[in-house]
Amino acid sequence: NAGVTQTPKFQVLKTGQSMTLQCAQDMNHNSMYWYRQDPGMGLRLIYYSASEGTTDKGEVPNGYNVSRLNKREFSLRLESAAPSQTSVYFCASSGGERGTYEQYFGPGTRLTVT
Amino acid sequence: QKEVEQDPGPLSVPEGAIVSLNCTYSNSAFQYFMWYRQYSRKGPELLMYTYSSGNKEDGRFTAQVDKSSKYISLFIRDSQPSDSATYLCAPLRHGSSNTGKLIFGQGTTLQVKP
Repeated sequence: NAGVTQTPKFQVLKTGQSMTLQCAQDMNHNSMYWYRQDPGMGLRLIYYSASEGTTDKGEVPNGYNVSRLNKREFSLRLESAAPSQTSVYFCASSGGERGTYEQYFGPGTRLTVT
Repeated sequence: QKEVEQDPGPLSVPEGAIVSLNCTYSNSAFQYFMWYRQYSRKGPELLMYTYSSGNKEDGRFTAQVDKSSKYISLFIRDSQPSDSATYLCAPLRHGSSNTGKLIFGQGTTLQVKP
């Protein structure tokens, strides 16, 4: 059981470039989430997907898009990266046999936009 | 005012000390209260959670919630250097379709010195 995996681990982008962060979980969870973590700000929810086929905005969705590709995979896309999107991005999932609300996190993607 | 307030520290204690980590929150609708531990450059790891008011114990860790004062605590007994990490409190806001949104505090950085 790998849990939640994220690719890539690190990425450097120039302003205006686009990229997609990938996330996959093997725990048969229904819900998946994308967070960003900035110094002094804690973790903030960008988007989430309550179940396959649905997505909703979180606290800080501007500049991002998501796709719930299937039950396992949830991707986050930056269409035109900005320096303000320099952050550490975490994917999480929840909603399996152990409990609906426990969220399990991936190792993170460190993104720098220059 | 943030929904969840947590003193960022850092908090430095000698090995074997009892550690008290605390959060306050403003939304009386929160019912689940999570504690996550995050080692440097790693993803958050769920430590434990409580439902509503009361205590929950797991080994050296005790989580406590006082809903009347909107106060959340995590106690660590016999602290070890391996407990050195950032501790994040995260009350959960219920959503639709059994999805919950975690509202994270800023995190408290703990250092346990041998």
